[in-house]
Amino acid sequence: EAGVAQSPRYKIIEKRQSVAFWCNPISGHATLYWYQQILGQGPKLLIQFQNNGVVDDSQLPKDRFSAERLKGVDSTLKIQPAKLEDSAVYLCASSLPGGPSTDTQYFGPGTRLTVL
Amino acid sequence: GEDVEQSLFLSVREGDSSVINCTYTDSSSTYLYWYKQEPGAGLQLLTYIFSNMDMKQDQRLTVLLNKKDKHLSLRIADTQTGDSAIYFCATGGGFQKLVFGTGTRLLVSP
Repeated sequence: EAGVAQSPRYKIIEKRQSVAFWCNPISGHATLYWYQQILGQGPKLLIQFQNNGVVDDSQLPKDRFSAERLKGVDSTLKIQPAKLEDSAVYLCASSLPGGPSTDTQYFGPGTRLTVL
Repeated sequence: GEDVEQSLFLSVREGDSSVINCTYTDSSSTYLYWYKQEPGAGLQLLTYIFSNMDMKQDQRLTVLLNKKDKHLSLRIADTQTGDSAIYFCATGGGFQKLVFGTGTRLLVSP
């Protein structure tokens, strides 16, 4: 079974530029998550989708971050404009909905963003 | 909001047991998880425990939960160099979002 795919793996941009990340979840997984992991910290949930609807975006900085999941499969996360403090690894995860045995979140390798 | 704390670093010798500790504040968490993160990789679920359990054993892994003290631990028996990684505890699950700790870097020396 193919895992969660993310691209690009690395991205370096200057502040005030825009950047987009792409995620392809495991086939059949209805729930998709985007996390931000700042160096030395645990991942923090940015947004959760159930199919193509948003379940939780309470920690998404909506003035600069946006995310969409068209057709309930792939998802993109965009930052516009980027700030220095956005430097982090952006992790995508997917899961089947339900209790923990079916709600296990499978993580992609992440995109490491450096903002100069 | 929920706060999950872990010690930053643990160093052990190969063959010894490792114990990684975690404390949390939200007693309403349904499940508690341990994830492993290797360099350049995403997080891998190691094990989880339901909040009404005290202990769970899974091969070399033993999870202990003390709900009164809001303390979770992960014991790795016969630790190997391949176990070197960052270990995260997380609370939530089910319909609750996951809240991760700061991570404990485990270094296993030969």
